[in-house]
Formats: sequence, C-alpha cells, structure tokens
Amino acid sequence: GIQVEQSPPDLILQEGANSTLRCNFSDSVNNLQWFHQNPWGQLINLFYIPSGTKQNGRLSATTVATERYSLLYISSSQTTDSGVYFCAVNGGTDSWGKLQFGAGTQVVVTP
Amino acid sequence: DTAVSQTPKYLVTQMGNDKSIKCEQNLGHDTMYWYKQDSKKFLKIMFSYNNKELIINETVPNRFSPKSPDKAHLNLHINSLELGDSAVYFCASSPGPAQLSSSTDTQYFGPGTRLTVL
Repeated sequence: GIQVEQSPPDLILQEGANSTLRCNFSDSVNNLQWFHQNPWGQLINLFYIPSGTKQNGRLSATTVATERYSLLYISSSQTTDSGVYFCAVNGGTDSWGKLQFGAGTQVVVTP
Repeated sequence: DTAVSQTPKYLVTQMGNDKSIKCEQNLGHDTMYWYKQDSKKFLKIMFSYNNKELIINETVPNRFSPKSPDKAHLNLHINSLELGDSAVYFCASSPGPAQLSSSTDTQYFGPGTRLTVL
C-alpha cells in the first residue's frame, strides 16, 4: 500500500511562532487529509487537499501531487494548536476509501 | 447535532468478555469506517461499509465483527477480548463513491471509544 512519512516527529514552538509540517507519500493520491488530534483525543478535520492550496484562518496547506508531498503551515501559533497533526492519504493500489495515516507530528506550543 | 457519534466513550472490561461499540452518523453519507489507534497513536483502518456492504476488511482477528443495520449505523462487536485489544477505536464516515460528483470524499471522525481490557 501507499507509504506516508511525516516530519518532524516532534515540534516545540513558542506562542506566536510559525511552523511547517511535511507529509511525503509514495504514490499518486485520490485523497489527502490533514487532521489535528487535540489533547482530549478528538480528531478534527483540517483540510481535504489531494492537490492545490487551501487556507483556513492561521492554517494553510499545499499539496504538490506530482512531487508527492504536502505541507501544513501554522502561523502565529497558539497554545490551543498543541496536539498531534496527522496526514492521511488514499491512493496507489489501495482500495478506495482506505486512508493510510502517517505517524504524526507532536506539536507543543508553549506560552 | 453531533455528526458522527459513538457509544460508549469509555469501556473497561475483563479479558474474555464480549463487547460492542456503536456508531451513528447523521451526515447522509453512504460509507462508514472503523479505525484503531494504538498506544503509540498509530491509526489503522479495520473495516469499511458502503451502503451496508463490506468493502474493506483489513487483516483483523475474526473476533472482531462489524455490523451495519443501515447506512447510518456501523457497530463493532468484539468477542473474547484480549489485553492487546486495548486501544482507542474511531468510527468515521464519508460521502462514498456515488456522491462524489457533488462533494469531496472527506472522512469525518467520531470522538473515539477508549477500550481498556484488564
């Protein structure tokens, strides 16, 4: 199946800082989603972005499908941004709908 | 108003018992999923149903049996629970292939059920 790698595995930020999280994948994708898992364990949809660029408030994402990577940008980080960010993809020879998750980036934003 | 709901939120049980987790979605989606998140936070798909038909069945012990009474519900029954079954189980739903012309195929996740087997 399609392989997904996220980097960095951990990130510590001071409030107000900007950061970039990366997701590399091994094959063409039909679906790519970014999720935020908050400290209470809830998985929150951030973006559905198999290609192109989207923005939502302080967060934005870009997927360059031809080069097989996606980036998630967090600007002016806040303590509420803490948690684990997951990239998940469906593509390659995997069955439709089967999302393969990366290992996540653990983000800690300090006041 | 919860889009994807799961019950119970927490489940603590003894080894060898049988338990069920229920999932309901009110988004009008055709496809539902079960994912397992282990202690290292790794998420992996277990099953998927499209309009009550099983379409994804990963390598999961046959002690796990999904059941979809209708397209808004997908339940997970686990027999003879083992210590290694302790995890967080997430239900999700998405529009499904028949609806893709009018929507993106975003998967929406429920709040999770934390299962602890003692």
